Amino acid sequence: EAQVTQNPRYLITVTGKKLTVTCSQNMNHEYMSWYRQDPGLGLRQIYYSMNVEVTDKGDVPEGYKVSRKEKRNFPLILESPSPNQTSLYFCASTRDVRGILSGYTFGSGTRLTVV
Amino acid sequence: QKEVEQDPGPLSVPEGAIVSLNCTYSNSAFQYFMWYRQYSRKGPELLMYTYSSGNKEDGRFTAQVDKSSKYISLFIRDSQPSDSATYLCAMSLHNTDKLIFGTGTRLQVFP
Repeated sequence: EAQVTQNPRYLITVTGKKLTVTCSQNMNHEYMSWYRQDPGLGLRQIYYSMNVEVTDKGDVPEGYKVSRKEKRNFPLILESPSPNQTSLYFCASTRDVRGILSGYTFGSGTRLTVV
Repeated sequence: QKEVEQDPGPLSVPEGAIVSLNCTYSNSAFQYFMWYRQYSRKGPELLMYTYSSGNKEDGRFTAQVDKSSKYISLFIRDSQPSDSATYLCAMSLHNTDKLIFGTGTRLQVFP
């Protein structure tokens, strides 16, 4: 089954404790992206990657890091999480860069709480 | 002013009703318009897309774009309880990969 897999689904952590949210896709998509979803603000792009070793900032990159060493994986790293990073996070991938023809395939989300 | 505005709802309708979901936008350069559906505890999934102006129909769903008014709509005919979800509009410019999402409208269809 074609899918984007994120782990973990739920995470509660403390301020300052480094964490990684993993994302893997099995569709051989070149374009991958991370979003956070907050009430009243919608989906906002954190980082995206056009291909292996090619990453760039989205609209809200502060406090996040990403890497793209392999085509299928695109982990999101929070080096020193803070409470304002409490959010619902989605990883997405797409075949064509704007996601027009095939749409973005989203993971099921990671609910992160930073206390 | 946000680039894309969407009423958050919730919109509650009886089964069988015609539903109209809308987004307005400020950037007249947007060319691609999409609707995503997001069920509770799931990621969004693409429902429909249109390029530039006009209508597009897919079963019970019709997407409409009015570029002169900077307004897009999604109509759902014969709504079903299984249509209960949050609907997000999204759009992008012609020459960029950036997809701008609306905040979503929560729809509840009751039997």
